[in-house]
Amino acid sequence: ELKVEQNPLFLSMQEGKNYTIYCNYSTTSDRLYWYRQDPGKSLESLFVLLSNGAVKQEGRLMASLDTKARLSTLHITAAVHDLSATYFCAVEGNTDKLIFGTGTRLQVFP
Amino acid sequence: DGGITQSPKYLFRKEGQNVTLSCEQNLNHDAMYWYRQDPGQGLRLIYYSQIVNDFQKGDIAEGYSVSREKKESFPLTVTSAQKNPTAFYLCASAHPNYGYTFGSGTRLTVV
Repeated sequence: ELKVEQNPLFLSMQEGKNYTIYCNYSTTSDRLYWYRQDPGKSLESLFVLLSNGAVKQEGRLMASLDTKARLSTLHITAAVHDLSATYFCAVEGNTDKLIFGTGTRLQVFP
Repeated sequence: DGGITQSPKYLFRKEGQNVTLSCEQNLNHDAMYWYRQDPGQGLRLIYYSQIVNDFQKGDIAEGYSVSREKKESFPLTVTSAQKNPTAFYLCASAHPNYGYTFGSGTRLTVV
């Protein structure tokens, strides 16, 4: 059974600082997704990672995938308040089900 | 514009009542999914359907039922057997090449 774990669960960081969110999964996967969720809202797609060594960047966010280690990271560079949200990774296993991690609630303060 | 529509946005259920959440997509996606999200929690899979007239249970299917009579529609019924239905419900559809598209969600509250 595919399991997805994220850490940390909560992250409070100062503006301008860097930090990394980690996503571990338990079985071989075809694809890994990162989503952002604002309070009371649906999910916003950030990245889709399809292969080992994949790296994608959008603004202050960069995601990477290591399929051998079954690990993905979401790196935040020079955080700003607008990045405050909950971030989820999700892994698509061989049964075409998308399984979500527990989420990381990020709060950026001045 | 293509997309996925959930309705209603807010729904109130009395004890012992069945309610149905609507999910419609015009993306021509074969696969559709229902997730439940509790406050401060991740998303858990309730049911999913890879093709019309076929669906499978997810991790928390008890107390829920679905149908997939049309490609565009995947309604979720929350039955009276679901003892704690208050949650945020998200529907999604998926294409093998384009990934997942999520609806805007339905917030269900028991009154």
